[in-house]
Amino acid sequence: SAVISQKPSRDICQRGTSLTIQCQVDSQVTMMFWYRQQPGQSLTLIATANQGSEATYESGFVIDKFPISRPNLTFSTLTVSNMSPEDSSIYLCSVGTGSAGNTIYFGEGSWLTVV
Amino acid sequence: SQQGEEDPQALSIQEGENATMNCSYKTSINNLQWYRQNSGRGLVHLILIRSNEREKHSGRLRVTLDTSKKSSSLLITASRAADTASYFCAPPWSGGGADGLTFGKGTHLIIQP
Repeated sequence: SAVISQKPSRDICQRGTSLTIQCQVDSQVTMMFWYRQQPGQSLTLIATANQGSEATYESGFVIDKFPISRPNLTFSTLTVSNMSPEDSSIYLCSVGTGSAGNTIYFGEGSWLTVV
Repeated sequence: SQQGEEDPQALSIQEGENATMNCSYKTSINNLQWYRQNSGRGLVHLILIRSNEREKHSGRLRVTLDTSKKSSSLLITASRAADTASYFCAPPWSGGGADGLTFGKGTHLIIQP
C-alpha cells in the first residue's frame, strides 16, 4: 500500500487569499488525483496531476482557480486560489500505483474553512 | 470513469447487528473497490474485489459481486461503534488513462450502542 501525507491537515483561510496543499507519497506512483468534498457531499474529482505536464481538469474546474503541480512521481500540490466561502471543503489527494490490482489510496485530506 | 451508487443512503443499527449496504454501477468492470470515511477524514481502502470473484472476505467484512446485475454488496458482521462512518463503492480506474474514480453519495452507517 501507499502512505500519503497531506499538509496542511486543516486551515482557516481569509477570503481572497490562496492556499497550497501538498501531497507526498512514500513510493513512486503512476497517477495522482485531487478531489474535493464539500460539507455533507460526496467526493468530486478536480483533476489528474500529470508528471511533467499540465494537469487534466474535470468539467467545472479550471487551472486558474486550482493550479496543480507534479514535479516528480511522489509529490504534487494543489492551490486553491482567490478563496471564497464556497471553497470551504475537504481536499483529498489520491494515488494509483498502476499495479495489477489498481488499488487507489487516499490521503487524510486537508480541511479548509474560508472566512 | 463511472459512478457507483450506494443504497441505502443512511442505515442505523444496534451494535452487534450486521450491516448490509449495496452498490450498483453502469458498465462492465474489472474490479470494484470499497472505502470507508470517518467524519471529516480521508478515505480508507477496505477491499478490492475482482470481476472473476463472487465473494471476498476481510476480517468482519464480506463483499460480494454480481457482474450480471452490475451490483455489489458490503456486509459488516458483528458491528461496533467504531464502524460508524460513510461507506463508498468505487468502480475502477483504468490503470493507464487520465481518469479517476467517481463516487456516489455513499451509505452513512450509524451504529447505536
